[in-house]
Amino acid sequence: DADVTQTPRNRITKTGKRIMLECSQTKGHDRMYWYRQDPGLGLRLIYYSFDVKDINKGEISDGYSVSRQAQAKFSLSLESAIPNQTALYFCATSDLVAGGVMEQFFGPGTRLTVL
Amino acid sequence: QKEVEQNSGPLSVPEGAIASLNCTYSDRVSQSFFWYRQYSGKSPELIMSIYSNGDKEDGRFTAQLNKASQYVSLLIRDSQPSDSATYLCAVNAGGTSYGKLTFGQGTILTVHP
Repeated sequence: DADVTQTPRNRITKTGKRIMLECSQTKGHDRMYWYRQDPGLGLRLIYYSFDVKDINKGEISDGYSVSRQAQAKFSLSLESAIPNQTALYFCATSDLVAGGVMEQFFGPGTRLTVL
Repeated sequence: QKEVEQNSGPLSVPEGAIASLNCTYSDRVSQSFFWYRQYSGKSPELIMSIYSNGDKEDGRFTAQLNKASQYVSLLIRDSQPSDSATYLCAVNAGGTSYGKLTFGQGTILTVHP
């Protein structure tokens, strides 16, 4: 079984609709992240959470919200989807390893298209 | 200036050659550095991490870090067609950015037979 799972894997929706993307992990990590990826722009951080009670905005949080339901679950919502939110969305988890290095592990991604 | 910049590519090398991927970063307090490989339509996969100046080798991959020059590179020896992918450089800064990664835009590598 995959350590980090995302649902749905693909979604096509219309402008103005509310969309929720879900992420679950079995790695036991405290830290979870949501990124979006657009061609030529790399990965950009939307929100991150260091534990259930700690949620922080990333560099591009406008138009998005998140919920950390449990250590293992972190959901991303688009309250009113717009076409420029069409992108590939990744969830990631991390934990501290020896020496304080922060390695992140990614889910399979959700391809979202907003018409 | 972008926080993390990679050589723009695409980079094309023949099979068996050395592929050299470069990354510069702007935050001098950055503490740890990562290289991810991403195949088309797939998620990024961690292939190397480095946090001390110098070289770190793992099989055909060597990461090089020079904090004074704010430069990190990835060398792939004996390149194979299966190495064709996008390579992402990621930097973990310290201080208020602790625990977050900033990614470069990626370099597309093509290894041709």
